[in-house]
Amino acid sequence: GQQLNQSPQSMFIQEGEDVSMNCTSSSIFNTWLWYKQDPGEGPVLLIALYKAGELTSNGRLTAQFGITRKDSFLNISASIPSDVGIYFCAGGQNFVFGPGTRLSVLP
Amino acid sequence: DGGITQSPKYLFRKEGQNVTLSCEQNLNHDAMYWYRQDPGQGLRLIYYSQIVNDFQKGDIAEGYSVSREKKESFPLTVTSAQKNPTAFYLCASSIDRAGEQYFGPGTRLTVT
Repeated sequence: GQQLNQSPQSMFIQEGEDVSMNCTSSSIFNTWLWYKQDPGEGPVLLIALYKAGELTSNGRLTAQFGITRKDSFLNISASIPSDVGIYFCAGGQNFVFGPGTRLSVLP
Repeated sequence: DGGITQSPKYLFRKEGQNVTLSCEQNLNHDAMYWYRQDPGQGLRLIYYSQIVNDFQKGDIAEGYSVSREKKESFPLTVTSAQKNPTAFYLCASSIDRAGEQYFGPGTRLTVT
């Protein structure tokens, strides 16, 4: 079946730094979604991507649909403490979820 | 306002008891889903439903059952056959199977 890999698994950054993470698939996807999950809460949809090469922003967040259609990238600029959480990618016809990237922001 | 509600937020049960988790949505979505999340892990699909009175097994359906008698409601029963039921359970819905999924706040189930 379809599987997603997310990199890195976890990251510790200083407040104010930019963050980059990615998600790769073993097969071609037509849709990529990025979610953020706060501790003890349900994931919240951040950005949805529908077209190869598409670049979409949501505030300090920018996500890109990879040109090969097998990957997607999420960047967070000027991180703040409330960016802490787990970031999940999801994609494919049946929306398989990746294992998540756990972000910690140090003050 | 529209959204997905799950109740209760925390649930405690004794081993051997069945327990039903509630999920309601007022988004007029056709598709609904149940996921299980273990500490430090991703989401694993238990069951999904694309339409009323129809549902399909996900990756880890053993020990769980669902019903979809109304469009708005998709309750999950964790049966005594589920060997390791303690987990965080998330319900989601989407306009259809191909649409973006929106999640509820989750129910943390502890079985002792």
